[in-house]
Amino acid sequence: AQSVTQPDIHITVSEGASLELRCNYSYGATPYLFWYVQSPGQGLQLLLKYFSGDTLVQGIKGFEAEFKRSQSSFNLRKPSVHWSDAAEYFCAVAARGTNAGKSTFGDGTTLTVKP
Amino acid sequence: DAGITQSPRHKVTETGTPVTLRCHQTENHRYMYWYRQDPGHGLRLIHYSYGVKDTDKGEVSDGYSVSRSKTEDFLLTLESATSSQTSVYFCAISEYSNQPQHFGDGTRLSIL
Repeated sequence: AQSVTQPDIHITVSEGASLELRCNYSYGATPYLFWYVQSPGQGLQLLLKYFSGDTLVQGIKGFEAEFKRSQSSFNLRKPSVHWSDAAEYFCAVAARGTNAGKSTFGDGTTLTVKP
Repeated sequence: DAGITQSPRHKVTETGTPVTLRCHQTENHRYMYWYRQDPGHGLRLIHYSYGVKDTDKGEVSDGYSVSRSKTEDFLLTLESATSSQTSVYFCAISEYSNQPQHFGDGTRLSIL
């Protein structure tokens, strides 16, 4: 069965500093990978996705993520954090084949941005 | 934004009562999903649908049933609500199973 681990429950960074949120997955083949962001009281919004090809993917709001097959990781990065980036971030993996439709989400990382 | 409406947005009910949550989409997407979100657990899939009258269980399906009689509507029913089902419930849709999901704004359900 697929699984997703986000090792950091809570991260605090200063505004303007760089950010990296970690995501490790377990899946038998190359998965579909996603990062979502959730603001308080809202649903999740897609930041970026990886299906195949180039391992560095660009997303909205200046975010990027790098797929590393050897490390089973899909870490999210941003070079300079803005106060509006404070939110909860979720990594997710979608299965292929017979389990298509059964996405698995990590437990989330809450980002706090210090002024 | 994708056209997804969840109703009700908030509900308080008592243990043992039936509860039905509704998800309505205007995107004509094939896939629809119900998740619950609890602190420390992220989102957990309850049930999903891959077409009218076609549904499958997720990882936390016990105590829940679903129905999809029309492409645009996906209903989640708690036949006899328990306090452990107090949660925030999210509906999501996607055009295909491997595509990103678009989420509704959630339903906050409290079972006393």
